[in-house]
Amino acid sequence: GQQLNQSPQSMFIQEGEDVSMNCTSSSIFNTWLWYKQDPGEGPVLLIALYKAGELTSNGRLTAQFGITRKDSFLNISASIPSDVGIYFCAGQRAGNQFYFGTGTSLTVIP
Amino acid sequence: EADIYQTPRYLVIGTGKKITLECSQTMGHDKMYWYQQDPGMELHLIHYSYGVNSTEKGDLSSESTVSRIRTEHFPLTLESARPSHTSQYLCASSDPGQGTNTIYFGEGSWLTVV
Repeated sequence: GQQLNQSPQSMFIQEGEDVSMNCTSSSIFNTWLWYKQDPGEGPVLLIALYKAGELTSNGRLTAQFGITRKDSFLNISASIPSDVGIYFCAGQRAGNQFYFGTGTSLTVIP
Repeated sequence: EADIYQTPRYLVIGTGKKITLECSQTMGHDKMYWYQQDPGMELHLIHYSYGVNSTEKGDLSSESTVSRIRTEHFPLTLESARPSHTSQYLCASSDPGQGTNTIYFGEGSWLTVV
């Protein structure tokens, strides 16, 4: 199925640094979702976005639904070691199945 | 927090054995899904259901089968497991809300076929 273009593929950052990652698509989406997946576990929903331009926060996490409806961004401020994991985006067009990004692997160096 | 449960979480079985992975959700969602994911790789949709008695194959060809006799239950069955079936299987369900569709995942079932 269609994959969303997610970047970067991996990140190695120092504890305390901010992190940014994004997903883009050639298609318009009505919903953008961001998940974190720890090794051996299922994805956990972090933030859900339903309107173009919407900016939503969840603690140190902030995500935005791009105004063109073809992209979304996730920012993590002041990273901590427990932020380590794989982050991936998901998008959905009206009435259709969900499409997933290829994931961003985040490593936080204490 | 998502109320979607998978059993078993981890399973090692021999080649040729039959296995059923269980998935239940208590959120009243009509849509349910099974994804296959190898470590560090992307999700591949193998089956989905839009409600009771509805089952469809996903994008990735799979030798597994599914059933949807009850809204809350969506089991996946492998009639004869092979080493190539070794993977993580993720069950999910989605919220049918107007304009607020969200997909929730279970914790996953790790299957190893030896």
